[in-house]
Amino acid sequence: GAVVSQHPSWVICKSGTSVKIECRSLDFQATTMFWYRQFPKQSLMLMATSNEGSKATYEQGVEKDKFLINHASLTLSTLTVTSAHPEDSSFYICSATWGAGVYEQYFGPGTRLTVT
Amino acid sequence: SQELEQSPQSLIVQEGKNLTINCTSSKTLYGLYWYKQKYGEGLIFLMMLQKGGEEKSHEKITAKLDEKKQQSSLHITASQPSHAGIYLCGADGGGSNYKLTFGKGTLLTVNP
Repeated sequence: GAVVSQHPSWVICKSGTSVKIECRSLDFQATTMFWYRQFPKQSLMLMATSNEGSKATYEQGVEKDKFLINHASLTLSTLTVTSAHPEDSSFYICSATWGAGVYEQYFGPGTRLTVT
Repeated sequence: SQELEQSPQSLIVQEGKNLTINCTSSKTLYGLYWYKQKYGEGLIFLMMLQKGGEEKSHEKITAKLDEKKQQSSLHITASQPSHAGIYLCGADGGGSNYKLTFGKGTLLTVNP
């Protein structure tokens, strides 16, 4: 149980284009989903918290107009990197929790984004 | 804000050896979570500890939370190559936002 998927697993795009990454909870309803960014040999950096049906809460320093997050249903959250630039190249990981006092997060396999 | 420091940053052991990874928090821990990550992949949830003095085991991995709830250790007995990866500890702040703060991770290499 508690399986989270991400799609795509890797993507290459040209500078200036937008890329959408999907995060799905496959066998549970996720009231809260999180989006992280991870640079090589570094830990996870939380970008935003996404609650179903409401606007995402972004961490300090994360541009909300650049990283658009939509949590349209209890099983799907999307992250859109708009007008991507090479510095946006990174490993993006989502996680999900069903709340109700349950803090452990279940992670997707990650998406490798390369912007050329 | 809460900070988690993990030690060592990296560790190389021979197969069959025991090892310990530590996670120290700058504040009291409400919940401490251990995850394992293989490079370029997502995180796998290992264990959660909440009570001071609590100890949990899964197969050959044991995690403990000290009485003061500011430090946790992860111990692997008779390590195997399958144990190789990055181990991260995460902590929740006790609030209602379910956010976790992560340490920088410990890279474990197990040589056959």
